[in-house]
Amino acid sequence: GAGVSQTPSNKVTEKGKYVELRCDPISGHTALYWYRQSLGQGPEFLIYFQGTGAADDSGLPNDRFFAVRPEGSVSTLKIQRTERGDSAMYLCASRTSSNTGELFFGEGSRLTVL
Amino acid sequence: SQQGEEDPQALSIQEGENATMNCSYKTSINNLQWYRQNSGRGLVHLILIRSNEREKHSGRLRVTLDTSKKSSSLLITASRAADTASYFCATDSGEGNTPLVFGKGTRLSVIA
Repeated sequence: GAGVSQTPSNKVTEKGKYVELRCDPISGHTALYWYRQSLGQGPEFLIYFQGTGAADDSGLPNDRFFAVRPEGSVSTLKIQRTERGDSAMYLCASRTSSNTGELFFGEGSRLTVL
Repeated sequence: SQQGEEDPQALSIQEGENATMNCSYKTSINNLQWYRQNSGRGLVHLILIRSNEREKHSGRLRVTLDTSKKSSSLLITASRAADTASYFCATDSGEGNTPLVFGKGTRLSVIA
């Protein structure tokens, strides 16, 4: 596709449920990032993939959060046993193989945990 | 953690005026980037300035970087109502696999 695609755009779930958020990066971009953004705040780093491997997962808040990128393209962020504090905008971004340069963001997935 | 700190947190100006936003950071950088975000949308890259550059222009945007003070500024000239958005600075250390680190942003309102 022409840009980074994220689905779903909105997800409402109940506390304790499992959620998957999907990111389809720009074709050819080997670096993929997940960020979380709370209202009125800047994006906070969660995890970064270079190819299929997680190069840095230091931003994942706890072991309920997990992300995969099995074929080096599409990535899925998985949240188990969701809590109300997980409610936020989850942003995915990609860039070329170089570790500098601009990030291309998707429109985000708005997660609301009731 | 967030490295960049934007100042002011919110800014309201009249159409046609200039808007200046500042960003301070803590560690050494390879480059600094500015992004724009409309409400409820993704971020859009505006401009990148490298650590060995002091000033950069792109259309109505002017960015300065002072690495000795660890600060940057974004100037939007002749603002328009369509410039209303949140603006974020992001630092890139360029080392290994470190991600971009974003500040909390400045919310700009341009009143027609």
